[in-house]
Amino acid sequence: QSVLTQSPSASETPGQRVTISCSGSTSNIGSNFVYWYQQLPGTAPKLLIYRNNQRPSGVPDRFSGSKSGTSASLAISGLRPEDEADYYCAAWDDSLSGVVFGGGTILTVL
Amino acid sequence: EVQLLESGGDSVQPGGSLRLSCTASGFIFNAYAMSWVRQAPGKGLEWVSVISGSGGSTKYAASVKGRFTISRDNSKNILNLQMNSLRAEDTAVYYCAKAEYGFGPFDYWGQGTLVTVYS
Repeated sequence: QSVLTQSPSASETPGQRVTISCSGSTSNIGSNFVYWYQQLPGTAPKLLIYRNNQRPSGVPDRFSGSKSGTSASLAISGLRPEDEADYYCAAWDDSLSGVVFGGGTILTVL
Repeated sequence: EVQLLESGGDSVQPGGSLRLSCTASGFIFNAYAMSWVRQAPGKGLEWVSVISGSGGSTKYAASVKGRFTISRDNSKNILNLQMNSLRAEDTAVYYCAKAEYGFGPFDYWGQGTLVTVYS
């Protein structure tokens, strides 16, 4: 059971917009930055969003992040087939003194 | 360019030990906390341990506390994970990861090294 809660799966058609949610508590999302990662099959996770809504250089602006209270979300617009991947949220947890992850969301681009 | 290269993954019997290493380059190694994160086959990501930039502070997940020891050699830009009393549930790909801020989460990950604990 993951500390952060994500829907196990999401799907949408190419060109459309999808939102992936991540729910936590006051000890993690409520008081710390949220990060989002994309993991393609057989590869290491790649940073998509850091500090709630910042994009690293090279990440398309189709990807955006937001946070409100103890929840966060990742939005992907203009979906492409290559966006099919697992997406994870993460945050530092003050109570556990460690990084906590969501269980991951498998995105299917139909 | 930041690069993290793990090594040391292997197959080991339950109760055995293994030492993983991660060689870092492309950034000021001693300025950043470093973590180990693992992923069991077909499962999600699980944070294992973190060490501060100086090496003076360490933290562990409850699942590995007392069995795993994280360390770093800032003169050689190497991060280590000593794993003792290994269990079947420790089977996973182990990633080293660089903290983006404070103790984490992370902005860069290595490619991972596979640890298999079998009986």
